[in-house]
Amino acid sequence: EAQVTQNPRYLITVTGKKLTVTCSQNMNHEYMSWYRQDPGLGLRQIYYSMNVEVTDKGDVPEGYKVSRKEKRNFPLILESPSPNQTSLYFCASSIQHGELFFGEGSRLTVL
Amino acid sequence: DAKTTQPPSMDCAEGRAANLPCNHSTISGNEYVYWYRQIHSQGPQYIIHGLKNNETNEMASLIITEDRKSSTLILPHATLRDTAVYYCIVTNDMRFGAGTRLTVKP
Repeated sequence: EAQVTQNPRYLITVTGKKLTVTCSQNMNHEYMSWYRQDPGLGLRQIYYSMNVEVTDKGDVPEGYKVSRKEKRNFPLILESPSPNQTSLYFCASSIQHGELFFGEGSRLTVL
Repeated sequence: DAKTTQPPSMDCAEGRAANLPCNHSTISGNEYVYWYRQIHSQGPQYIIHGLKNNETNEMASLIITEDRKSSTLILPHATLRDTAVYYCIVTNDMRFGAGTRLTVKP
């Protein structure tokens, strides 16, 4: 089954404790992206990747890092999480300029 | 900011057609228009896309103006389950705005 898998789905953590949200897709897509969603603000793009070893900042990259060492994986790294990073995070993938396939979301709370 | 603008909210009566507009006045010649919808806090789901011509599938119809600066998503017979946030994006951008919250009322 074609899918985008995110882990963890839910996480409560404390300020400053490094965490990684994983994202994996099994569709051999070149393009992958991370979004965060906050009430009333829609989906805001954090980082995206056009292919392996190619990553670019989206609209809200501050406080996040990503890597794209393999085509299927695109982890989101929060080196020192802060409460303003409490949000619902979505990973998505597609062929270039194609339909986006989204993961189920990861709800993160930073205390 | 996203390259698309949409009204923040719309209402529609159940069984009637829902027409959701999207402005994409800076769209490039090779960019497609894609529509997605998000129900509650689930991941957005693809609805339909188009380049120049009008498109129809089992979920909806997409009308793109001749100058391609705007489009309209049409849900021909809206049901309560169509209540959701609808987003349009263009493919060289892949950024979502706040979308349109459609409420279908009985």
